[in-house]
Amino acid sequence: DTEVTQTPKHLVMGMTNKKSLKCEQHMGHRAMYWYKQKAKKPPELMFVYSYEKLSINESVPSRFSPECPNSSLLNLHLHALQPEDSALYLCASGPNGYTEAFFGQGTRLTVV
Amino acid sequence: LAKTTQPISMDSYEGQEVNITCSHNNIATNDYITWYQQFPSQGPRFIIQGYKTKVTNEVASLFIPADRKSSTLSLPRVSLSDTAVYYCLVGDLKNSGYALNFGKGTSLLVTP
Repeated sequence: DTEVTQTPKHLVMGMTNKKSLKCEQHMGHRAMYWYKQKAKKPPELMFVYSYEKLSINESVPSRFSPECPNSSLLNLHLHALQPEDSALYLCASGPNGYTEAFFGQGTRLTVV
Repeated sequence: LAKTTQPISMDSYEGQEVNITCSHNNIATNDYITWYQQFPSQGPRFIIQGYKTKVTNEVASLFIPADRKSSTLSLPRVSLSDTAVYYCLVGDLKNSGYALNFGKGTSLLVTP
């Protein structure tokens, strides 16, 4: 089973709202990732968690706040977003962070 | 930043073999080479991964020369459903962790 589950699939939020994206995997993977993808562009790495600790933050604005409550869950907390933050947000997990990663189907976020 | 270079686009007819080459001149000793397929509005799907020589699975083959500075993804007998963007990834070891950054990818169009 190589399934990474993301919820919700779609989210519309206002610029003053606070919302969270959730990601779950039960493959025992020790690395988890958040990516942002705009239309017709490649995914852009945002954060990497390794063994439940934040290891990489690719200079992401503080209105995006990641959290890894346990080895199976990864959250992305959103606050005071801008319309240009509208994108497909992808979560991925990998066994060790050095080899392959498996992606969820993403959350389509629209900021109005 | 991605460490890979691929052709922007390729065209093929159904039933043909397609070879997509990726250049990664600065690949490090510990780096693996991983290929993904992505359809619009979906998460990338893992295709194949290799370290050296040749790897084959049920959907593709990956050829890696001895110097590992490039790799070639081979898709046998493509069908219309293989129309997608294909990404080659090589990890980027940073001080704090290991990043999987996407390059621009190759947009493959398969026609009848």
